[in-house]
Amino acid sequence: DAGVIQSPRHEVTEMGQEVTLRCKPISGHDYLFWYRQTMMRGLELLIYFNNNVPIDDSGMPEDRFSAKMPNASFSTLKIQPSEPRDSAVYFCASRLFNSPLHFGNGTRLTVT
Amino acid sequence: AQTVTQSQPEMSVQEAETVTLSCTYDTSESDYYLFWYKQPPSRQMILVIRQEAYKQQNATENRFSVNFQKAAKSFSLKISDSQLGDAAMYFCAYRGYSGGGADGLTFGKGTHLIIQP
Repeated sequence: DAGVIQSPRHEVTEMGQEVTLRCKPISGHDYLFWYRQTMMRGLELLIYFNNNVPIDDSGMPEDRFSAKMPNASFSTLKIQPSEPRDSAVYFCASRLFNSPLHFGNGTRLTVT
Repeated sequence: AQTVTQSQPEMSVQEAETVTLSCTYDTSESDYYLFWYKQPPSRQMILVIRQEAYKQQNATENRFSVNFQKAAKSFSLKISDSQLGDAAMYFCAYRGYSGGGADGLTFGKGTHLIIQP
C-alpha cells in the first residue's frame, strides 16, 4: 500500500512568488494534516481536515497561507506571496480515526 | 494546551548498549495517546511505538520499549542493543482523545541520538 505522497520533494523559489505544495493521503484515511518543521520552532500543526472539511486552521501563520482538500485523495498548501521566513520542511500526514499518523517524506521549501 | 518536553537535546550511546530517552508532558485529559517517532537524515517521520494512556502495560516493539508513568506524566523510550541504524532525531508526541480522536499531534523538540561504533 502506497504511503502518503508529497510533491515536490524540494522547492526553491524567490520571495514574492506563489508556492503550491501537494499531498496525496493514504487511500481510505479520513484525516489529513499539514505540519511545518523548522529548527527554531520544531514541528507545528498548521491545519487539518476531516472528510475533506477543514476542522482547525488556527496554526496557519497568516493569510498568506491557505490549504484546500477538494477530494479525499488530494490536498494542497499554498503560500502567496512567499517570504524567506517560510523556508522550512512541510509535512503532510494522514490517518484513520484512531490510528497512528502516517507522514509523507516532506517538501523542503527554500525561499530566497 | 498540552505541552511535550524532551529535556535531552542530544544523547550518545555505544553500539550494542542501551539508551533511554526522556519525555514529559502536561495535560488535563485522562485519555490520550503517546507516541515516539524517529526521523533519520532522510527526514522521513517513522512511527516507533505507541501507548494508550488507559493501558497500564508498557508498549514494546522488538528492541524498543517505553516506561509510561501516568501519574508522573512521563513517557521514556528505551532502545536496547543500539544499532547504527538507530541514529536519528527522536520525537515524543501527544494526542488527546476527546471521544473523537480528532486532535493533531503535539510534538516535543526532539532528541538527537548518536550511536558510537
